Amino acid sequence: KAGVTQTPRYLIKTRGQQVTLSCSPISGHRSVSWYQQTPGQGLQFLFEYFSETQRNKGNFPGRFSGRQFSNSRSEMNVSTLELGDSALYLCASSLQGANNEQFFGPGTRLTVL
Amino acid sequence: DQQVKQNSPSLSVQEGRISILNCDYTNSMFDYFLWYKKYPAEGPTFLISISSIKDKNEDGRFTVFLNKSAKHLSLHIVPSQPGDSAVYFCAASANAGNMLTFGGGTRLMVKP
Repeated sequence: KAGVTQTPRYLIKTRGQQVTLSCSPISGHRSVSWYQQTPGQGLQFLFEYFSETQRNKGNFPGRFSGRQFSNSRSEMNVSTLELGDSALYLCASSLQGANNEQFFGPGTRLTVL
Repeated sequence: DQQVKQNSPSLSVQEGRISILNCDYTNSMFDYFLWYKKYPAEGPTFLISISSIKDKNEDGRFTVFLNKSAKHLSLHIVPSQPGDSAVYFCAASANAGNMLTFGGGTRLMVKP
């Protein structure tokens, strides 16, 4: 079974631009979560989507948004990029239901100049 | 306010010996705990989990212990192997949700 895939793997943007990251979950997984990893803040939860609906949201500004499609693929968007948005963005998928392990993709390394 | 803490940023262990990684949490609502291993430039890899109704879970060389009264969990790796060298994260969730709160990680180095 193929793992979680994320595209692109690396991205360089400048301040003020916007960016869209993509995530394809493991086949059959309906929950997709996004995390941001930075040296200062560690791994932080952004949001979770399940059946095309946002089910949970972390403590991030409205510039961070996402969506999920009917095939469970998900995208996250960051508008008006700031230098502090430079991070590794990780996507994780899991089966529906309680206490399921989340399986992570390799991440997208975003650098904002 | 860090709800999940890994107080040791690094740990060095000799090959074949036991590695013990520790994690503390403050949120009493957490009811499910997980350990992940992470190599550079890769996403975290799931290792083992434990529900709050248990105090121990084993999977091969990996055992997780949960002490609810102390709000403390630990991961034991026996025997440790050089390939275990990585950053280990503990994570917690509440109410059967998928929102994980991570600790800051512990870098494990297993020396041959």
